Amino acid sequence: GAGVSQSPRYKVTKRGQDVALRCDPISGHVSLYWYRQALGQGPEFLTYFNYEAQQDKSGLPNDRFSAERPEGSISTLTIQRTEQRDSAMYRCASSSQGAYEQYFGPGTRLTVT
Amino acid sequence: AQKVTQAQTEISVVEKEDVTLDCVYETRDTTYYLFWYKQPPSGELVFLIRRNSFDEQNEISGRYSWNFQKSTSSFNFTITASQVVDSAVYFCALRLSGYSSASKIIFGSGTRLSIRP
Repeated sequence: GAGVSQSPRYKVTKRGQDVALRCDPISGHVSLYWYRQALGQGPEFLTYFNYEAQQDKSGLPNDRFSAERPEGSISTLTIQRTEQRDSAMYRCASSSQGAYEQYFGPGTRLTVT
Repeated sequence: AQKVTQAQTEISVVEKEDVTLDCVYETRDTTYYLFWYKQPPSGELVFLIRRNSFDEQNEISGRYSWNFQKSTSSFNFTITASQVVDSAVYFCALRLSGYSSASKIIFGSGTRLSIRP
């Protein structure tokens, strides 16, 4: 079946602009996660949802970052007033009810110039 | 605090050699889950295995095997008779047991494995 999909795959934006990154989880997966991966590092947790409820947003670096999942399926990660330090790979993952492993999407490579 | 350490930044071996990737974790929880993920040059993150803290039985899947030792807080990954297609960055990861199964995964910094023909 279809895996986790993310769009866009690549995004180049100018400093100060807002960006919205989209994640479409595996069908039926109730939990959805956002991670950020810097070059040469492992993914770092940002936030996660159970259905439409945001359960943990402790990893969001500051209040320029926000996420939503209004209908418990597709999620959007929004970064306002982007800065160069926001440049990274943003990965989305999902998991099914009761499962511990997470399945990752291909990521969105964000470059802030 | 929870932490995953992969001390080997890069490993390079010749095809058909055996190679072991080390992973050491830290947690005070008694129930937790350990994972290995593979990131090939194409960039995706591929789930390989999950291990529960209460199950120390080692696992073998084809050329891959995993050695989980609670006494040393290690969860090492061995590839036997390596192949060029095994070239990738491998991440070890830790997830704690929360009130539900949905919880963040803490990743190590990864080991870049290169298999030379």
